[in-house]
Amino acid sequence: EIVLTQSPGTLSLSPGERATLSCRASQSVSSRYLAWYQQKPGLAPSLLIFAASSRATGIPDRFSGSGSGTDFTLTISRLEPEDFAVYHCQQYGSSPYTFGQGTKLEI
Amino acid sequence: QVQLQESGPGLVKPSETLSLTCTVSGGSISSYYWSWIRQPPGKGLEWIGYMYYSGSTDYNPSLKSRVTISVDTSKKQFSLRLSSVTAADTAVYYCARGAAMYDPWGQGTLVTVSS
Repeated sequence: EIVLTQSPGTLSLSPGERATLSCRASQSVSSRYLAWYQQKPGLAPSLLIFAASSRATGIPDRFSGSGSGTDFTLTISRLEPEDFAVYHCQQYGSSPYTFGQGTKLEI
Repeated sequence: QVQLQESGPGLVKPSETLSLTCTVSGGSISSYYWSWIRQPPGKGLEWIGYMYYSGSTDYNPSLKSRVTISVDTSKKQFSLRLSSVTAADTAVYYCARGAAMYDPWGQGTLVTVSS
């Protein structure tokens, strides 16, 4: 089973700043099968990024994903108030599909 | 657009079986994979398993001995059964479209295991 470790656990920033979230895998994630989800309080997660760097439908271009192998990054270029949420990474290259523990992005 | 809605009891007694149903609206249930994912309070997400509309399945090995996912295409529903539950199974349970990558998700339903 691939273990995903997200850092930091909590990131405190202000609107307009740049956010960089990390996701490290215990072994290589095949074919860059890495996704990012955003979860707002009381709501279900929603897909942001798939295949490490492809934005899901309707996701603004201030969100970008990068990385390969064991190290992946989600970058939000300029934070908007609605971006403050919890972000989860997930690998889907090998079963069982696993998630990181989440990074809380707070103001 | 496709919408998913979970339904089922919010309270289950220890050692009993948790049963949830996900109803798909606004789109077809055929030709897609459908999954269950859970999130214990204050914790991360855990993949439970998926089913293809034709019936093939894959389950998380950590739950495999207790999990059954089934589909009823005529009702556009798929279901989760988790047997012999304990307090550790208390979580928000989500249904979602996809085998390994999930979009969209249902709103989630909290299931508490307690006597």
